[in-house]
Amino acid sequence: QSALTQPASVSGSPGQSITISCTGTSSDVGHYNYVSWYQQHPGKAPKLMIYEVSNRPSGVSYRFSGSKSGNTASLTISGLQAEDEADYYCSSYTTSISWVFGGGTKLTVL
Amino acid sequence: QVQLVQSGSGLKKPGASVKVSCKTSGYTFTTYGMNWVRQAPGQGLEWMGWINTNTGNPAYAQGFTGRFVFSFDTSVSTAYLQINNLRAEDTAVYYCAPSDSYYFEYWGHGTLVTVSS
Repeated sequence: QSALTQPASVSGSPGQSITISCTGTSSDVGHYNYVSWYQQHPGKAPKLMIYEVSNRPSGVSYRFSGSKSGNTASLTISGLQAEDEADYYCSSYTTSISWVFGGGTKLTVL
Repeated sequence: QVQLVQSGSGLKKPGASVKVSCKTSGYTFTTYGMNWVRQAPGQGLEWMGWINTNTGNPAYAQGFTGRFVFSFDTSVSTAYLQINNLRAEDTAVYYCAPSDSYYFEYWGHGTLVTVSS
């Protein structure tokens, strides 16, 4: 199972919006609405930010939103804040009864 | 609340074995299957597989068969990851992540395993 494809890096200024894409195949992202997104700060464990494409867990800011079209999922962060600077990973359940992660995207808040 | 406490980091020699533990609390251990995720230095997350904490059946992802063993002890609500015949490329942080759904809401703090002579 190949890793999902994410841009290596994205950047934005405080207050702006950014979108991170996550491209898979018809066997993972395109097959199920089981895409999730994780935020990881250096030296910390990943934190769930979005599950099942567009649902936010309790406690996650409304500024984080998710969507999907075909084989590509997206994470949008609006009103960028300094604390949003982190690595972001997408993940999808697959038809092989397994999970696959994206390669990760480093978000820089300028 | 769900808490996951993993064993401490360690340095191992090539060819040795290591057993990483993940002690759980705050939920009934058999409610969630236990997943394991690897993160090599400066790299992304890799799903290693999971173990069904009801049946004991493990499922290993491609690339994690043979030397990797998932197990658990229900009496102490603890899951284990054993890696045999360690290689330099096994150097990574290993996370446990219990789940009963299609995402990982809970994560251990991670255990760094360094393999070096």
